[in-house]
Amino acid sequence: DVKVTQSSRYLVKRTGEKVFLECVQDMDHENMFWYRQDPGLGLRLIYFSYDVKMKEKGDIPEGYSVSREKKERFSLILESASTNQTSMYLCASSLREFGYTFGSGTRLTVV
Amino acid sequence: QKEVEQDPGPLSVPEGAIVSLNCTYSNSAFQYFMWYRQYSRKGPELLMYTYSSGNKEDGRFTAQVDKSSKYISLFIRDSQPSDSATYLCAMGTNTNAGKSTFGDGTTLTVKP
Repeated sequence: DVKVTQSSRYLVKRTGEKVFLECVQDMDHENMFWYRQDPGLGLRLIYFSYDVKMKEKGDIPEGYSVSREKKERFSLILESASTNQTSMYLCASSLREFGYTFGSGTRLTVV
Repeated sequence: QKEVEQDPGPLSVPEGAIVSLNCTYSNSAFQYFMWYRQYSRKGPELLMYTYSSGNKEDGRFTAQVDKSSKYISLFIRDSQPSDSATYLCAMGTNTNAGKSTFGDGTTLTVKP
């Protein structure tokens, strides 16, 4: 069974902390994505990557950065966590134009 | 104006009903159309995938794409309580590195 694994289901962090969200896929997919999902706002794309060491900004990249050193791993970094970054974070991967496989999500609370 | 507009719901139907979920879009370059199902506190899972116009059937689920009207639908026949979830439509082009644009989702409750 193919999988996208997010390292944590729930995280609580303090304002100002640097936060790392890890995502690993075992499907040899080229594309990987980070979204946040908030009630009433739907899924919003933060960053995506279509190849190792390549990254593209999504719709809401401010306050975030990403790293893709290996094909299977795509990390989201919150440089200095703020309360407005409290959200559900979803990682996904895909082949070129096929549908996504999502991870189970990380619910991050910044206090 | 959003590129993808989804009927907001929520929808509540009795078990066995036929359910219609709908999205409209404005970008005529979209060629790939997907429906995802998301259970509470889980990530979305791909339910249906369609390329270009037409219908696709998978068990109780039928996806329809009308590119001339920029309108897509997901029909669920003989709905079950286990179909209770949020349904997200998504669309993509073949020139955008697999990046999809999502609707905001419609929450469906099927009552026994």
